[in-house]
Amino acid sequence: DTAVSQTPKYLVTQMGNDKSIKCEQNLGHDTMYWYKQDSKKFLKIMFSYNNKELIINETVPNRFSPKSPDKAHLNLHINSLELGDSAVYFCASSQDLGTGYGYTFGSGTRLTVV
Amino acid sequence: DQQVKQNSPSLSVQEGRISILNCDYTNSMFDYFLWYKKYPAEGPTFLISISSIKDKNEDGRFTVFLNKSAKHLSLHIVPSQPGDSAVYFCAAAGDFGNEKLTFGTGTRLTIIP
Repeated sequence: DTAVSQTPKYLVTQMGNDKSIKCEQNLGHDTMYWYKQDSKKFLKIMFSYNNKELIINETVPNRFSPKSPDKAHLNLHINSLELGDSAVYFCASSQDLGTGYGYTFGSGTRLTVV
Repeated sequence: DQQVKQNSPSLSVQEGRISILNCDYTNSMFDYFLWYKKYPAEGPTFLISISSIKDKNEDGRFTVFLNKSAKHLSLHIVPSQPGDSAVYFCAAAGDFGNEKLTFGTGTRLTIIP
């Protein structure tokens, strides 16, 4: 029973298309995140939501829009895909960093834009 | 501007010996530090953490040391096992009102049997 699950695991699409990545967590955590791991393996935060409210929005193009229908789900929509969007996208959730357990990550979605 | 740095992209260690992974940070506001382990095609998994009020935290074979004055932390794995071969990410957080983690670029650890 996966704690943080994201779909699809692989996504290959053409430039200009619109795509979505879904994320669900069954841990009862209040906060969810999207991270991007680029070609240099650098994991960088994109967004975080706490109880469906946007908390962090790093410098991400407007083409990226997170949607949180409830606190267990955080989906990522990407419009007009560009070659530079190719990366691995990780969803994560956390309750409270003070508990010492950090984030729980999903297994990632490898997006390839051709 | 990389606030968390792991200057060694890779490290090879003999099985049974100690593995030492290093991490440096520049932001003095960071007060909580974590290590994550990542296998290929999987998400990072939490390994161990330390808050800035401590200088050492131990969990089984894993020990994290924090030197605040040097803005440096390290992860020691003793004894190293083949299953420890993975990429290790250092991460830092500050201001508990903001749960954002800033990650380093990772160190690939290879344990040689």
